[in-house]
Amino acid sequence: KAGVTQTPRYLIKTRGQQVTLSCSPISGHRSVSWYQQTPGQGLQFLFEYFSETQRNKGNFPGRFSGRQFSNSRSEMNVSTLELGDSALYLCASSVDRTYNEQFFGPGTRLTVL
Amino acid sequence: AQSVTQLGSHVSVSEGALVLLRCNYSSSVPPYLFWYVQYPNQGLQLLLKYTTGATLVKGINGFEAEFKKSETSFHLTKPSAHMSDAAEYFCAVSSGGGGSEKLVFGKGTKLTVNP
Repeated sequence: KAGVTQTPRYLIKTRGQQVTLSCSPISGHRSVSWYQQTPGQGLQFLFEYFSETQRNKGNFPGRFSGRQFSNSRSEMNVSTLELGDSALYLCASSVDRTYNEQFFGPGTRLTVL
Repeated sequence: AQSVTQLGSHVSVSEGALVLLRCNYSSSVPPYLFWYVQYPNQGLQLLLKYTTGATLVKGINGFEAEFKKSETSFHLTKPSAHMSDAAEYFCAVSSGGGGSEKLVFGKGTKLTVNP
């Protein structure tokens, strides 16, 4: 069974631009969560989607948004990029919301110049 | 609110020595606890998890962890370190399948294994 895939793996943007990251969960998994990883703040929860609805949200500004499609694939968008948005963005999928084991993708490394 | 504290951001051991990575948690509800490993430029891989039942949990690559409710701890151990164990390890807590998939992570412990 294929794992969680994230595209692109690496991305370079400049301040003020916007970016969209994509995540394809493991087949049959319906819950997708996003995390931001930085050296200073560590791993921080962004949001979780299940059945195309955002179910849980972390403490991030409204510039960070996401969505989930009917096939459970998810995208996250960051608008008006800031230097501090440079991070590894990790996507994780799980079977549903009652089974807590999450499987992580390799991440997208975003660099904002 | 839940939180995780990992004692020691860096741990160094010799090959063949005991590995002990410490994790303490805070949770107002019965926790689910996890240890993940991250190799450079990769995502997180689940080592082991505690949900309910047996408090001594065995995971992959010879790692195990013991849930101690009285000490609010979930320390990770491995009897004999291998060079391939060098990586960063993260302890995480969640609210136990009560409708939230949010994982709260510790800051991580970078393990170095010396030959």
